Amino acid sequence: EDQVTQSPEALRLQEGESSSLNCSYTVSGLRGLFWYRQDPGKGPEFLFTLYSAGEEKEKERLKATLTKKESFLHITAPKPEDSATYLCAVQADRGSTLGRLYFGRGTQLTVWP
Amino acid sequence: AAGVIQSPRHLIKEKRETATLKCYPIPRHDTVYWYQQGPGQDPQFLISFYEKMQSDKGSIPDRFSAQQFSDYHSELNMSSLELGDSALYFCASSFSTSGSTGETQYFGPGTRLLVL
Repeated sequence: EDQVTQSPEALRLQEGESSSLNCSYTVSGLRGLFWYRQDPGKGPEFLFTLYSAGEEKEKERLKATLTKKESFLHITAPKPEDSATYLCAVQADRGSTLGRLYFGRGTQLTVWP
Repeated sequence: AAGVIQSPRHLIKEKRETATLKCYPIPRHDTVYWYQQGPGQDPQFLISFYEKMQSDKGSIPDRFSAQQFSDYHSELNMSSLELGDSALYFCASSFSTSGSTGETQYFGPGTRLLVL
């Protein structure tokens, strides 16, 4: 069964305090791993797509990495506006180019001044 | 850049009523996905369409049906609504490729459904 587990469930950081969010996955053939940011009551906002182990992507204060079993979202010198829930999702290889996303429960990040 | 459009944004219904949610994908996107997100929960896949044909089906109740039209917009029809159907309903769209890698899904702002 395809599973995605994110940790920690919640994370409180002081502004400027760097940290990492973890996403562990079990999937029969990874077609892609996706990171989204979600603000309360809003739709998930796309951040990164990772396809293969060793791949890294960066955007401003965020950097996503991927291994064969997990992905990390590193947040460098976060600011209060980075506060949100960060969702990890995987797309499994079903012999098709199309596929549903399996989401983790998310990490609720709070950055205080 | 154009994003996924969903309507209505908020909907209040009584039990046993019917609701229709609409989704307009990003221009040139040919695949639409529907997800349900309960309070404090992660999004759960309901159903998807590619080129107007159902491509995948998840944990969607038999009371729900959906379709994709010739202009690629999609509608999720929900009948005999129950209190447990109260949730955020998201539509996502992507552009399919013939490669082996997954396509990024872009999400709309969601429709908040409240069943009383």
